[in-house]
Amino acid sequence: SQTIHQWPATLVQPVGSPLSLECTVEGTSNPNLYWYRQAAGRGLQLLFYSVGIGQISSEVPQNLSASRPQDRQFILSSKKLLLSDSGFYLCAFSPGQGGTDTQYFGPGTRLTVL
Amino acid sequence: GNSVTQMEGPVTLSEEAFLTINCTYTATGYPSLFWYVQYPGEGLQLLLKATKADDKGSNKGFEATYRKETTSFHLEKGSVQVSDSAVYFCALIPIQAAGNKLTFGGGTRVLVKP
Repeated sequence: SQTIHQWPATLVQPVGSPLSLECTVEGTSNPNLYWYRQAAGRGLQLLFYSVGIGQISSEVPQNLSASRPQDRQFILSSKKLLLSDSGFYLCAFSPGQGGTDTQYFGPGTRLTVL
Repeated sequence: GNSVTQMEGPVTLSEEAFLTINCTYTATGYPSLFWYVQYPGEGLQLLLKATKADDKGSNKGFEATYRKETTSFHLEKGSVQVSDSAVYFCALIPIQAAGNKLTFGGGTRVLVKP
């Protein structure tokens, strides 16, 4: 079966510190991968998506970057966090190789920047 | 461009009441339509989907019908439970969308009281 994992589940970081959030997918090959952010009480904002290894599309210019070093691994990073980076970060995938376009979400990482 | 509009919450109901959450969309052609649910502190779960006009998606007592003529995908449940308290997101994927990117509505918070 297909599963998606994210870690850490929660993170508290000081302003100016670096960030690395990791997402991995199991049970499918060449998935599309996505990073979303959900600010408190608001909807979802697509940050990045990837259709293959090393292929990253940025949807919103910002303080964050994404990388896909392996087929089923997606990493969200920042060199220096801002207060406005606080939020709930969700990774998602849609199955590759002609599978459905439906996206499946991970459990999320709650990031608080102080 | 593509957009999804859903009723703002919060929607407060008593247990066993009828629930309707309105969702309308703007997109060219026949997008795929989705409802996701987010329980407190968790990621998004796919609730149901429909991929063509007049399709009805259903799951866990929830239903939504793809209405091309009114560009709508309203979510309904005949008798809600306290456990249905959550935020509900309507979303679409446009036809032939690059990367199968989802466009979300702003979310509707539903609170069911015993």
